[in-house]
Amino acid sequence: AQSVSQHNHHVILSEAASLELGCNYSYGGTVNLFWYVQYPGQHLQLLLKYFSGDPLVKGIKGFEAEFIKSKFSFNLRKPSVQWSDTAEYFCAVTAHTGGFKTIFGAGTRLFVKA
Amino acid sequence: DAGVTQSPTHLIKTRGQQVTLRCSPKSGHDTVSWYQQALGQGPQFIFQYYEEEERQRGNFPDRFSGHQFPNYSSELNVNALLLGDSALYLCASSLDAYEQYFGPGTRLTVT
Repeated sequence: AQSVSQHNHHVILSEAASLELGCNYSYGGTVNLFWYVQYPGQHLQLLLKYFSGDPLVKGIKGFEAEFIKSKFSFNLRKPSVQWSDTAEYFCAVTAHTGGFKTIFGAGTRLFVKA
Repeated sequence: DAGVTQSPTHLIKTRGQQVTLRCSPKSGHDTVSWYQQALGQGPQFIFQYYEEEERQRGNFPDRFSGHQFPNYSSELNVNALLLGDSALYLCASSLDAYEQYFGPGTRLTVT
């Protein structure tokens, strides 16, 4: 069965610190990879996506993620976080299984101290 | 563009009752997926509708059923509600079944 694992459930950082959130998935076939963000009181929004091509993808608000196929990983990074990055982050994988089923990780709650 | 809209925002039901949740997709989108998000967890895929047919289904019992209308809007029905069905129910729409746009969700509480 497909699964998505996010390594950290809670992360606390100070402003200007660097961020890396881990995400690993289990599925041997073709996948599309996503990171979504949910700010307090708001609905899920797409941060960035990987379909094919350059494994380093850039998203909104200075976020980027690197797809490492051999490690089944898609880690999210940001060089310098801001207080406004406080949110919950979800990694998601859509597997090409004859249909399009998206599996989400459990989420990482990030708190950035001002 | 109104984006994805869901109704109602909140709902309280009693065990054993039935509930219907509604979703209107983003303009131009033809695919609707439903997710259940329990507190402290990521969204869990329930099913996906395309061209008024259920195209893909997650590991949810038959108590969960859905429908898609010709205008692409969709309903999620849950029968014989259990306490464990209390969750945020999310609707997502897409054009190509890959990049999904999420609605604000319906918070269902079963007492």
